[in-house]
Order: sequence, then structure tokens, then C-alpha cells
Amino acid sequence: SQTIHQWPATLVQPVGSPLSLECTVEGTSNPNLYWYRQAAGRGLQLLFYSVGIGQISSEVPQNLSASRPQDRQFILSSKKLLLSDSGFYLCAWGEQGFRAFFGQGTRLTVV
Amino acid sequence: LAKTTQPISMDSYEGQEVNITCSHNNIATNDYITWYQQFPSQGPRFIIQGYKTKVTNEVASLFIPADRKSSTLSLPRVSLSDTAVYYCLVGDKPLSGSARQLTFGSGTQLTVLP
Repeated sequence: SQTIHQWPATLVQPVGSPLSLECTVEGTSNPNLYWYRQAAGRGLQLLFYSVGIGQISSEVPQNLSASRPQDRQFILSSKKLLLSDSGFYLCAWGEQGFRAFFGQGTRLTVV
Repeated sequence: LAKTTQPISMDSYEGQEVNITCSHNNIATNDYITWYQQFPSQGPRFIIQGYKTKVTNEVASLFIPADRKSSTLSLPRVSLSDTAVYYCLVGDKPLSGSARQLTFGSGTQLTVLP
């Protein structure tokens, strides 16, 4: 069966520091991959999605970037974190159709 | 992508049936309707998906009228553990080589009371 791994679960980073969140998927090939952010008490904001290696689409301009160096690996990065980057970050993969499977999320606090 | 509108919140009591309605007036011919459930500090979990009429699984039922401009998620005999945010998404199957953008709305906070 397909599984999705996301780490770390929690992260506290100072303003101006870099960020790297990693997501890997098992049990499927060539998945559609997604990064979301959820601010406290708010809905999910789609940040990036990818249909394949090296193919990244960005939904909103921001301080973040994404990369897909391997078929089942999706990385979210920042060179310099801002306070506003705090939130709950979720990685997901989607089947053909409209069914998505989410990782457990990373709670990022920028201090 | 079709825009969706849901109630912000709903309260219910244990053992009752809960119906959450989602409006999607601009739904396209090829669009499917999908519902997710999210607990605090967890990712959303797929509940059910449908195109028309009625779909039922072990968790919920999805009712879609003939005009497909709305849909209703029905949760039978809710328990305290059903307290969560429920999201309605509308969109079509992605073309080969393209990605489904999977844009979530604000969702409906369901609170089940004892």
C-alpha cells in the first residue's frame, strides 16, 4: 500500500534561518505531489504542486521554494525564514482523480 | 476550479445524523465532488467521492441532486470522535501529465456534543 513520510514533526527555527522539509512517498510511481500550509485555525493553502521530477508549479508568491529531485521525493525550502512562515506544513500525493493522501505534517514555529 | 461554499460551523449531538451541504454553482460537466475530514494537527483524510445521485461507503453517504450545483455529506449516528473540519472539493480528473491543484476551501467545523 502507499505511504507518505514527512519529517520532522515539529521544528522551531529563528528568523532568517534556512528551512528544509522533506516528504517521500512509497508504493506508487510518478505521483502528483503537493505542499500545503495551514495557519492556526485557518484552512489549507496550496503552496506547490508537481507532476514529475523537476516540474514544480507555484500557487502563491512567497518566501518558499520547492524541489523534486527524485520521483517520490518532494522538498520544501527557504533561504531565510520569516515570522509569517510559521504554520502547519503538509505534504500530499494525489491519485489520478481527486483523492489525496496526506503526511502527518510539520509544525513550524519561527521565533 | 469550481468555487465551493460551506457553512463555517455546525453542532450536533451524539447519535444524531449530520448533514453538511456544499454549494458549487459553477460545477463543470467533468467535475467530481470529494469530501475530506481533518482532525487538529493532522492532514485531511479522504471520506467519499461522487459524480451524481448517491454514493455510500462504510463511513458516510454523499447525495448529489440532478443539477449537481450542491452536494450533501451525511454522517450517520455521529460520535464525539467525528468532531473535525469537513472539506468539500470540486474538480475534474487531471489530464495525463497534469496535476490536480487540490484547492481546499475553509471547510465546516463540526462539533459533536455529548
